[in-house]
Amino acid sequence: DAKTTQPTSMDCAEGRAANLPCNHSTISGNEYVYWYRQIHSQGPQYIIHGLKNNETNEMASLIITEDRKSSTLILPHATLRDTAVYYCMGGGNQFYFGTGTSLTVIP
Amino acid sequence: GAGVSQSPSNKVTEKGKDVELRCDPISGHTALYWYRQSLGQGLEFLIYFQGNSAPDKSGLPSDRFSAERTGGSVSTLTIQRTQQEDSAVYLCASSFLTGRRNSPLHFGNGTRLTVT
Repeated sequence: DAKTTQPTSMDCAEGRAANLPCNHSTISGNEYVYWYRQIHSQGPQYIIHGLKNNETNEMASLIITEDRKSSTLILPHATLRDTAVYYCMGGGNQFYFGTGTSLTVIP
Repeated sequence: GAGVSQSPSNKVTEKGKDVELRCDPISGHTALYWYRQSLGQGLEFLIYFQGNSAPDKSGLPSDRFSAERTGGSVSTLTIQRTQQEDSAVYLCASSFLTGRRNSPLHFGNGTRLTVT
């Protein structure tokens, strides 16, 4: 299982881009990087995932470094509803979550 | 379409009683996972199923915890002789396949268990 490290907390002004970093230096070559978020009292929500290339969907963009040891989740225009805990994780048969980043979007 | 469904949404039980928590995964998802989340804490992996078999039970906290899955669909997590430290939100997730790494997890909203 891949281990990840993320900042404990971050703030972002409403309307600005939120850039959430993650280190996953032990991820193996065929493991995907996944991002999820959890809004208080709800189950985690899948956001995006990728292997090597950068990815974009309607929720976010994912930038993966060439050596795959780190990635950044980008919320291009953060809203108050994006306040949540964001989890980065590696894939594989065992899906272990780290402690995540608590993102607070400030009005 | 229907997502992962968990029942009950809330359960209050007395210390020492047994409880059963149910998870209905997304139709067609062969992999099913159980997690536990204590108040203010992260997600603790408990067990996963590939079909009806559980290749990895290492996350179960004690022998009071067990889980089964039948018909490759519904799963039940059973906690025997509940203790106050078992109080937590129990989350279930499913995915199309495990071992295949391009397969995101889809979570239910959990069962909040309170042991008094």
